This record gives sequence, structure tokens and C-alpha cells, in this order.
Amino acid sequence: GQSLEQPSEVTAVEGAIVQINCTYQTSGFYGLSWYQQHDGGAPTFLSYNGLDGLEETGRFSSFLSRSDSYGYLLLQELQMKDSASYFCAVRVHSGSARQLTFGSGTQLTVLP
Amino acid sequence: DAGVIQSPRHEVTEMGQEVTLRCKPISGHDYLFWYRQTMMRGLELLIYFNNNVPIDDSGMPEDRFSAKMPNASFSTLKIQPSEPRDSAVYFCASSSRPDRGSNQPQHFGDGTRLSIL
Repeated sequence: GQSLEQPSEVTAVEGAIVQINCTYQTSGFYGLSWYQQHDGGAPTFLSYNGLDGLEETGRFSSFLSRSDSYGYLLLQELQMKDSASYFCAVRVHSGSARQLTFGSGTQLTVLP
Repeated sequence: DAGVIQSPRHEVTEMGQEVTLRCKPISGHDYLFWYRQTMMRGLELLIYFNNNVPIDDSGMPEDRFSAKMPNASFSTLKIQPSEPRDSAVYFCASSSRPDRGSNQPQHFGDGTRLSIL
């Protein structure tokens, strides 16, 4: 099976930088994804790491260390609209499978 | 382009009734996923299809749940009989086939908020 751990809540102020960590235990690891979900909304894809290192997409970056089974999402220049839940998800490979297992989510609150 | 379309957006029904949730994936996507989200259990994968064929239904909670994908543009998730503990938000997602080493993100619908009284 798979297990993921991420903090349940993070609070930061507008303009700040916040890092959301994710550790995982899984077999058949293929990559780590990050999704954002606003209250009542659909999860939306943010970033993916298939290889070690940093991926940057605008204000958001994601990092992966396969040897440490660890990744993080870095949000810079925080805005109020970034208040949402952030989920890490491991992509596992089994046969022809391409499924995701999601962490429990981190609720980010951005304060003015 | 249209995203993943789910219906209904909200469903309130009494326990024991049959519930059918519907999903239209993004055209050209050959993977379709059904998830359930609750406060207690988070976002759980129930079942997924590849080219209309169920690949893994190990997440389906029990025999009361069934899912079908009769064609590439339509899938249903059915609960019969429904119980109050089935109350949750049910999401459908689709993706195209990822090449090795790359990723194709899953695109989620807006979900169906299901309340079983």
C-alpha cells in the first residue's frame, strides 16, 4: 500500500513564502504530484516531479528527493487567493496502472 | 474546451434509494477515475478505467457500489441501496495516457455532493 504524510494546516501572511512538505512510503513509485483545491471546488493540478530536483511554475515550485521519499511544494509571494487545500499525490506504477494516491491535504490560510 | 462534466451537482435522497452519478470525461482522454472525498477519509480512489475497461476497483467500498463505462464519453457510479455513510463529494477525473517518464495530470469535474438522509 501507500502512505503519505503532510501537515494538516499552515498559516502565512500575504507576500510571504511557505513550504508544504510531503513524505511518502510506497512501492512502484513513479512520481509526485501536487493539487490545489479551494473550498467546494475541484482539485486542480499544480505540479509534477518524476525526477529528483526542482520544478518551477511561476510562483509555485515543487521539489522531489526520491532517495529520501520526500517532496515539497513552495509557494512564493503568497496571495489571498492561495488560501486552499494542497494535496500531494504519489503516482504509482503497477502493470498498466497510472493511478494516484492522495495525501490528506494541507489547509493553507493566507492572512492579510 | 469543455472539462470533465459531472451530474448532478447535488443529490439529496433517503437511505435505501438508488443513486446514479454521471460523468463525461474530456474528449480524447482514455483514463477515467472515480474518487470519493470526506473529511474523515480524504480523497479516495474508488475505481478507474482505461479505454472503458475497469482496471482497478479495489477502492470500491462494498458490493452496493458499481461503476460502468459503456463508451468513451460516459461513465456512471451507482450506489444501491444507499446509506447515510455514503454521504460525500464524489469526483470524476480523466487523463490522457502518459508517456514513460512524463506525466499527464488528472482533470477533475466539479463533483457531486451526495447527502443520504
